[in-house]
Amino acid sequence: SQQGEEDPQALSIQEGENATMNCSYKTSINNLQWYRQNSGRGLVHLILIRSNEREKHSGRLRVTLDTSKKSSSLLITASRAADTASYFCATDSAGNQFYFGTGTSLTVIP
Amino acid sequence: DSGVTQTPKHLITATGQRVTLRCSPRSGDLSVYWYQQSLDQGLQFLIQYYNGEERAKGNILERFSAQQFPDLHSELNLSSLELGDSALYFCASSDSGGLTDTQYFGPGTRLTVL
Repeated sequence: SQQGEEDPQALSIQEGENATMNCSYKTSINNLQWYRQNSGRGLVHLILIRSNEREKHSGRLRVTLDTSKKSSSLLITASRAADTASYFCATDSAGNQFYFGTGTSLTVIP
Repeated sequence: DSGVTQTPKHLITATGQRVTLRCSPRSGDLSVYWYQQSLDQGLQFLIQYYNGEERAKGNILERFSAQQFPDLHSELNLSSLELGDSALYFCASSDSGGLTDTQYFGPGTRLTVL
C-alpha cells in the first residue's frame, strides 16, 4: 500500500480563498515533498521539507510537517484559477523508499 | 516544458506483448526515474538509474526492466503485458543521485493494453 494518504480527495474553492490539503504517512521519513500535476501531465515539484523542519514557505505556499503525527499540510494562499490541479505529497525514507500519496484534486472557481 | 522528453506519447497494444518506453533526461542530468500512474495504484515509483547504474528500486514488477545508456537516455521495457499494466508512465530526471533532489518530469507515455 502507498505510504501517503491525502485529505481531502477533492476540494473546490473560490478564487482568492485559501486551500489546505493534508498528507499522512505511515513510517519515519527523511523528507517530504509536494508536487502538482495538471490533468494528465507530468508532475511539477513545489517544495521539499526535511524531517527536522516544521514549516517552510515558498511564495504563496506554506508547508508544515509534524513528524510526531506523521502528517504534513500544504496551504495555498490567495488561490487562482491556475492553481487548479492535483497535489501529491511524496515521502522518502530509509532504504531508498519513495512513495506518493493518493493526491488531492483542487478546483479553483474563477 | 521540463526539458525531459518521452516517446511515444501513446501506445496501444495487446495482452502478452512487449513494449519499450524511451526517456531522454534534461541536458546535464545524470539521474532518471520511472513512475507508473494508474487509477488503481495511484503514482508508484518504479526505479531510478544514476549515470548508468541502478540506484533505487521501488515497486517494479519482474516483468518490467529498465536501463540507462551511456548517453544517459533510459528505456523501460514492459513484457507479458496485462490489462492492469494500462497506465501513464512518467520519466523524471535530476542532476544528482538522491531521491530528494528536485525531479523534472516528462509528459508521460500513456499505455493502453487491450
